[in-house]
Formats: sequence, structure tokens, C-alpha cells
Amino acid sequence: EVQLLESGGGLVQPGGSLRLSCAASGFTFKKYAMSWVRQAPGKGLEWVSAVSVSGDSTYYADSVRGRFTISRDDSRNTLYLQLNSLRAADSAVYYCAKDQGYGDFTDWGQGTLVTVSS
Amino acid sequence: IQLTQSPSSLSASVGDRVTITCRASQGISTYLAWYQQKPGKAPKLLIYDASTLQSGVPSRFSGSGSGTDFTLTISSLQPEDFATYYCQHLNIYPRFTFGPGTKVDIK
Repeated sequence: EVQLLESGGGLVQPGGSLRLSCAASGFTFKKYAMSWVRQAPGKGLEWVSAVSVSGDSTYYADSVRGRFTISRDDSRNTLYLQLNSLRAADSAVYYCAKDQGYGDFTDWGQGTLVTVSS
Repeated sequence: IQLTQSPSSLSASVGDRVTITCRASQGISTYLAWYQQKPGKAPKLLIYDASTLQSGVPSRFSGSGSGTDFTLTISSLQPEDFATYYCQHLNIYPRFTFGPGTKVDIK
């Protein structure tokens, strides 16, 4: 059974940083591209970032480019998202998702809540 | 590429046939997926490539369309289908835009 378990969320002040982690199990992690998707309270889904198989290529939404960094550690079966220069608008539940091939996300974690507030 | 969905919400009864539309601002072939999300839960992939049913998804769900106009149809709405539905643009170059969502609730 595929499992994705996010952690690292919490309350942070504007301008602060957080590192989110997503521990994967139940599938061969290194064979899949992975993404982060977020959802602000009461709002829709927003794709945030993706990393290719092997980690050679990374992609970002315009809203986070230059502030967030996605990475993966295939030896630990873990996906990361470094969030810097956080803004109130970044407050959301952050989900990691397994990419079936073209951005169709077959499996999702339960999400981790990031709240940016002073 | 922008995605719009209509309606933004609808009320329906168990057993109803429900159709949700997703429109892309430019042609996207069949690079479209549909998700279901229930409150407090992660989204669930229902359909990809516009019309391919994800494994394990009930056959009452179907998708159609290509180019700019797509539909998600629930042939006979069940109690567990009350949720919010999102379309998503798929692509080989990641800009995985989601539609704004359609909330289906009980009439």
C-alpha cells in the first residue's frame, strides 16, 4: 500500500522558513516524479512544485519560484520542500503527491498545515 | 492555460445524473484529469487523459472531451459522491493547473 506522510508544518512568522518532509513507502520511490500541492483554508488546489525522477529537474509555480526549493533523497525515500521568505498567502495545507506520469497524482499524503502569521 | 469549471456548485439528489464541465483557455488535447475531494481529506484521482477511469473508481464516473471542453459525469449520484470536484491540466512540462472546483451537495 502506498503511503505518503508529510511533516514539518507549523506556525511561522512572515519572512520565516520551514522545511516540509514527505516520507514515502509502499512503492519504488526513485522511479516516480513527485509534487507538492497546497490548499489554502476554504480554497481550491494549487500545484506548487515538482521534481523529476532522479531529481535532475525541478519546477515551480510562479507564486513560489525563488522562495521554495524542492528536493528528494531516494536513499531515504523522502521528498522535501524548503519554504523561505514565507508570506501570509503561503498559509495552506501542503500535500505531497505521487505523479503517475503526466502530473496525474495517483496518491496523496494527508497534508501538513503551514500557518504564516505574526 | 486557465481552467474554468461550471457550475461552481450544484445541489442534487441520490440517483441523479450529474454533469460538471471544465473549459480550458486553449486546446489541451486530452491532457486533463478529474479529482474528488471530501472535507478534510486529500484529493482522489478519478479520471486521467480526459476519459480513462483510474483503477478502483466506480464505473458510474465517466469523463469525456478533448481540446477545450471536458465533462465529468456521475451517472447515478450516490451518498458518498457528495464532494468537491476539480479538473486539472496535465502536461509533460509541469504547470499542473487546477480548475476552481465544483461543489456537489445534497438537495
